[in-house]
Amino acid sequence: DGGITQSPKYLFRKEGQNVTLSCEQNLNHDAMYWYRQDPGQGLRLIYYSQIVNDFQKGDIAEGYSVSREKKESFPLTVTSAQKNPTAFYLCASSIWGLDTEAFFGQGTRLTVV
Amino acid sequence: RKEVEQDPGPFNVPEGATVAFNCTYSNSASQSFFWYRQDCRKEPKLLMSVYSSGNEDGRFTAQLNRASQYISLLIRDSKLSDSATYLCVVIPNTGNQFYFGTGTSLTVIP
Repeated sequence: DGGITQSPKYLFRKEGQNVTLSCEQNLNHDAMYWYRQDPGQGLRLIYYSQIVNDFQKGDIAEGYSVSREKKESFPLTVTSAQKNPTAFYLCASSIWGLDTEAFFGQGTRLTVV
Repeated sequence: RKEVEQDPGPFNVPEGATVAFNCTYSNSASQSFFWYRQDCRKEPKLLMSVYSSGNEDGRFTAQLNRASQYISLLIRDSKLSDSATYLCVVIPNTGNQFYFGTGTSLTVIP
């Protein structure tokens, strides 16, 4: 079955540690995205990638980093520079362009203690 | 100013009621519009696209008003299973990302 997979579903880390969230898709989509969701704030874009080896900052990129070495994979690293990393992280992919649907992974709930 | 704004609700309605949500967008050149549904602690999923002429899918009707820059979602004959958060989504004319509203929470009460 085609889809987008995020792992792990729940993640706990100590403050000051970097952590990497995995996102893999087998939909052959060019575009991939990372969003952060906090209660009452909807989805905010962290980074997006239109094509392999290229990515762009979204609205809240500070404290995060990404890579896009393969079309299928778009991992997100939450660094110790991110001041408030506890959140629900959603990865999505789509065909690039207008009138296109975003397919989401099941999300990773990160808690930093 | 936010790209997309929604009334967060919550909307609490009895079964069988009709409920409507609105969403405004700031970029007049926006090209594509959608409603997504998100269940509690789950990922968003596409509910329906919104077309200029308006479109219907069963009990759901979506409309676009370009002059006033808003989109709407009407749910008729509400079911308990309609309880969720509804997110409006806009793609700008540059086609480079999805802008999500904060979501409107709906609870259908027996």
